[in-house]
Amino acid sequence: AQSVSQHNHHVILSEAASLELGCNYSYGGTVNLFWYVQYPGQHLQLLLKYFSGDPLVKGIKGFEAEFIKSKFSFNLRKPSVQWSDTAEYFCAVNLGAAGNKLTFGGGTRVLVKP
Amino acid sequence: DAGVIQSPRHEVTEMGQEVTLRCKPISGHDYLFWYRQTMMRGLELLIYFNNNVPIDDSGMPEDRFSAKMPNASFSTLKIQPSEPRDSAVYFCASRRGDGFYEQYFGPGTRLTVT
Repeated sequence: AQSVSQHNHHVILSEAASLELGCNYSYGGTVNLFWYVQYPGQHLQLLLKYFSGDPLVKGIKGFEAEFIKSKFSFNLRKPSVQWSDTAEYFCAVNLGAAGNKLTFGGGTRVLVKP
Repeated sequence: DAGVIQSPRHEVTEMGQEVTLRCKPISGHDYLFWYRQTMMRGLELLIYFNNNVPIDDSGMPEDRFSAKMPNASFSTLKIQPSEPRDSAVYFCASRRGDGFYEQYFGPGTRLTVT
């Protein structure tokens, strides 16, 4: 069965610092990859997604992610965070063209100090 | 579009009572998903429907849980009888069925069983 690992459970950083959140998955076939964000008390919102093509994907709010197939990774980055980026971030994977089920990582809680 | 709509937003009930959660997917979306989010287990897929038909209910915890989708614009998740360990946030999500795999999440129902 596929699995998704997010290695950092909690991240604390100051405004203007750079952010990188790790995501690894355990499936060797074609995958679709997603990063969702959940602001405090709110529902999940899509930050960005990768289906095919350029492995560097740009999303909303200045976020980007890089798909490295050889490493089974899809790390999320933001060069300079803001206090409003305080949220929980989830990596998710489904299995290519036949994939209907999203498998989520355990989430990373990010706290940005003003 | 109003997005995925869930009701109620909060539900507090006593152990043993029946609980019904409701979801209205985005119009035109062919897939509907029910998730449960807890601190201990993260985001878990409970069941999903395609064109109103349940496709995979392997995530449903036990027989106390049931879900229906009588038409394309409405789904329910029922817990009978409820138990304190069912306390969680329950999310509904929907998705188009034309090869785009992004799921749109509703605001969730926070269920507390005392």
